[in-house]
Amino acid sequence: AQSVTQPDIHITVSEGASLELRCNYSYGATPYLFWYVQSPGQGLQLLLKYFSGDTLVQGIKGFEAEFKRSQSSFNLRKPSVHWSDAAEYSCAVDRSGAGSYQLTFGKGTKLSVIP
Amino acid sequence: SQTIHQWPATLVQPVGSPLSLECTVEGTSNPNLYWYRQAAGRGLQLLFYSVGIGQISSEVPQNLSASRPQDRQFILSSKKLLLSDSGFYLCAFVTAGDAYNEQFFGPGTRLTVL
Repeated sequence: AQSVTQPDIHITVSEGASLELRCNYSYGATPYLFWYVQSPGQGLQLLLKYFSGDTLVQGIKGFEAEFKRSQSSFNLRKPSVHWSDAAEYSCAVDRSGAGSYQLTFGKGTKLSVIP
Repeated sequence: SQTIHQWPATLVQPVGSPLSLECTVEGTSNPNLYWYRQAAGRGLQLLFYSVGIGQISSEVPQNLSASRPQDRQFILSSKKLLLSDSGFYLCAFVTAGDAYNEQFFGPGTRLTVL
C-alpha cells in the first residue's frame, strides 16, 4: 500500500535561514507527488507537484522540491524563510498513479519561524 | 472563477446523533469530488471520491456515507456518530478531463463528537 512519511513533526527555524522538510514515500510505480501548505485560518493550498520530467520542481512562494527516485524522497526546500511561512506542510502521493488525485497524505510538519 | 463551499464551519454533536455535511462547487462542470478527514495526530485520509452523479467510491470502511445528488453537490452523512468520527473534514474537487489540473480544497468543517 502507498504511504507517505514525514519524519519531522515540528521544525523551528530562524527567519532568513534555509529550510528543508523531508518526505519519503512508498509506491511501486512512478509517483505523482505533491506538497501542500495550510496556514492558520487558511485553506489547504498547493505549493508544487511532480508528475514527470525535471526532478527539481519550482513552486509558489519561493519553494522548490526535488524528486529522488533512488531515495524515494520528495523533500521541500526554501533558501530563506520568511515569518509568513509559519504553517503546516503536508506531502502527498496520488495513490491511483494516474493523476486522479486520490491522495495519501503524510502526517504533516509544523513549521515555526523565529523572528 | 471556480469556488468550493462547505458548511457548517464547526459542529459539535453528541454520540449517536446523525450528521450531514454539505459541499458545493461553483464555476466548473462534472468535477471529480472528494471527502477527506484529518483526525488528531494523523494525516489527511481520503474517505470518498466521486466521478459523477450517483457514483461514489469508498476508500475505507467506516461509519460514514457519501452521496452526490447533483453534479456539483457532495454530501457526507452518518446515521449515528461515534466518538472516532471527530476530526477536520475537507471537501475537494478537480476539474475532470485533465490529469494535470489542480485539486482545490474547501475551508473544512471541524466536527467534535461528545
